Amino acid sequence: GAVVSQHPSWVICKSGTSVKIECRSLDFQATTMFWYRQFPKQSLMLMATSNEGSKATYEQGVEKDKFLINHASLTLSTLTVTSAHPEDSSFYICSASPILTEAFFGQGTRLTVV
Amino acid sequence: AQTVTQSQPEMSVQEAETVTLSCTYDTSESDYYLFWYKQPPSRQMILVIRQEAYKQQNATENRFSVNFQKAAKSFSLKISDSQLGDAAMYFCAYRSAQGGSEKLVFGKGTKLTVNP
Repeated sequence: GAVVSQHPSWVICKSGTSVKIECRSLDFQATTMFWYRQFPKQSLMLMATSNEGSKATYEQGVEKDKFLINHASLTLSTLTVTSAHPEDSSFYICSASPILTEAFFGQGTRLTVV
Repeated sequence: AQTVTQSQPEMSVQEAETVTLSCTYDTSESDYYLFWYKQPPSRQMILVIRQEAYKQQNATENRFSVNFQKAAKSFSLKISDSQLGDAAMYFCAYRSAQGGSEKLVFGKGTKLTVNP
């Protein structure tokens, strides 16, 4: 199957700093990628849809200025958590689909803000 | 908007036995896809099985099968001959077949425990 690679797998940062998470489709082109957030023992919550060459579409309640998304190429989308605070600590997952019948997920990134 | 409901937060099964996980969904669309994803402790999302709504035949993948009832908007997952490696969170998900609506809508998940 297709491969989506997410980096880093985990990151610890100080409060007030920014963190960038990368999501790459390794063997297919993805005009659309999705970013999810998952709290412990909860489901995946869609944060935004990343569109290659255009602005991301954010879900209601997600702060655009806090979670910056850039989809500069057909194989790379980045999520930057700006001015991170402890409440931003979470598990972030990206996904992409070469076909409608399956979505492929990155390994996820565990973000801890101290 | 579409919604997906998993009414069983936790389930347990004895090794080698069969277990069924429930999922219902709400949509006004006629064409869509349904999925079951497994999330083990590693938290990597793994596709277990998918069903195209236009297909009447229930999907099967080895020990995994679904009971798809389109009129009832029900999509349950049956795991036969349960193995210890089946222990994980299981998420039911919906995706529209309409272009431009590729996002997945997830249920809240069911934590499956397999007892030896």
